[in-house]
Amino acid sequence: AQSVAQPEDQVNVAEGNPLTVKCTYSVSGNPYLFWYVQYPNRGLQFLLKYITGDNLVKGSYGFEAEFNKSQTSFHLKKPSALVSDSALYFCAVRDDNYGQNFVFGPGTRLSVLP
Amino acid sequence: DSGVTQTPKHLITATGQRVTLRCSPRSGDLSVYWYQQSLDQGLQFLIQYYNGEERAKGNILERFSAQQFPDLHSELNLSSLELGDSALYFCASSVGGVAGNTIYFGEGSWLTVV
Repeated sequence: AQSVAQPEDQVNVAEGNPLTVKCTYSVSGNPYLFWYVQYPNRGLQFLLKYITGDNLVKGSYGFEAEFNKSQTSFHLKKPSALVSDSALYFCAVRDDNYGQNFVFGPGTRLSVLP
Repeated sequence: DSGVTQTPKHLITATGQRVTLRCSPRSGDLSVYWYQQSLDQGLQFLIQYYNGEERAKGNILERFSAQQFPDLHSELNLSSLELGDSALYFCASSVGGVAGNTIYFGEGSWLTVV
């Protein structure tokens, strides 16, 4: 079965500094990887996804993620953090052997300090 | 705005009662997913429907049931409610059943059981 780990519950970064939110996954087939962001009392918003092709994926709000098959990782990055990026970030995976089920990681709370 | 509409936004009910949560997917989306988000359990997949048929089942309790109607809206029925059912319930939708499809979330329905 597929699984997702986000090893950090909380990430703190100063405004203007680069940020990284880590994600590792386990699947039996080919992975389809997603990042979502959740602001307080809101639904999850889609940021970006990796399906195939270029390992560096660019998404909304200046975020990007790098797919690394050998390390089974899909870390979310942004070159310069904004205070408004403070939110809860979820990594998710779908396994093409399991088709429909999205599995979400536990979430990482990002705090960008002014 | 993701285009996924959920009602009601907030609901307070007593233990033992039954409630129905409603979801309208994005225009053109055939798949509907239900998720439960709680502080201790994180984001849990409950069930998925595709064009009216159940496609995948997750950690859905027997007291819970769902269906997708011919107009593609979906309802999640929660019965014999317990205090532990208090959570944020999300509906999400996607175009189809392909693993690479992005799923888009509604704003959620806050259920409080007292």
